[in-house]
Amino acid sequence: DTGVSQDPRHKITKRGQNVTFRCDPISEHNRLYWYRQTLGQGPEFLTYFQNEAQLEKSRLLSDRFSAERPKGSFSTLEIQRTEQGDSAMYLCASSPSGTGSEKLFFGSGTQLSVL
Amino acid sequence: RKEVEQDPGPFNVPEGATVAFNCTYSNSASQSFFWYRQDCRKEPKLLMSVYSSGNEDGRFTAQLNRASQYISLLIRDSKLSDSATYLCVVIAPSGSARQLTFGSGTQLTVLP
Repeated sequence: DTGVSQDPRHKITKRGQNVTFRCDPISEHNRLYWYRQTLGQGPEFLTYFQNEAQLEKSRLLSDRFSAERPKGSFSTLEIQRTEQGDSAMYLCASSPSGTGSEKLFFGSGTQLSVL
Repeated sequence: RKEVEQDPGPFNVPEGATVAFNCTYSNSASQSFFWYRQDCRKEPKLLMSVYSSGNEDGRFTAQLNRASQYISLLIRDSKLSDSATYLCVVIAPSGSARQLTFGSGTQLTVLP
């Protein structure tokens, strides 16, 4: 399967703990996005990378959230001192550059539950 | 006002029916538009792009009305497998061209 993969699929943690999610994009895609989705809502933009550069970050993203894409391939999203409001599905997506760059391919997501 | 708004539904229609969804956007400078489909507990998948002249893909027709700032999706001869949430996506130049904004989605259930 050469689609976008995310790990883990599910994460249950206690409030105050740190969690880290991983995303492996489609190999030839140099753009990578993180979104968050809660029940009954559409995906909400968190951040965007082009290769290893983080080009945009949502104003809604608190400083407890950090994302990296050190070699321009896989990416990690870390949430420090988790809160119950962080419970959501975290979706990663990738897209190619140039023509078709606005068509996103999503991974299956990581479902985070903060107890 | 939300940047992208959709009627959440749910729309419950019988098989074979024609159903239409609208999506309105607030930024008049928006440039690109898409419809995504999301099955229950699955990731969103691109359904179709929306072009200024309107476009059709089988039973699906997408249209853009720039004057009124809305896009629409028409599904003809609906199938049970069309049951899903339909998300509209708008790209505006004010932010990053890569910052796609999703609507909250419209839920469709096709009944046998």
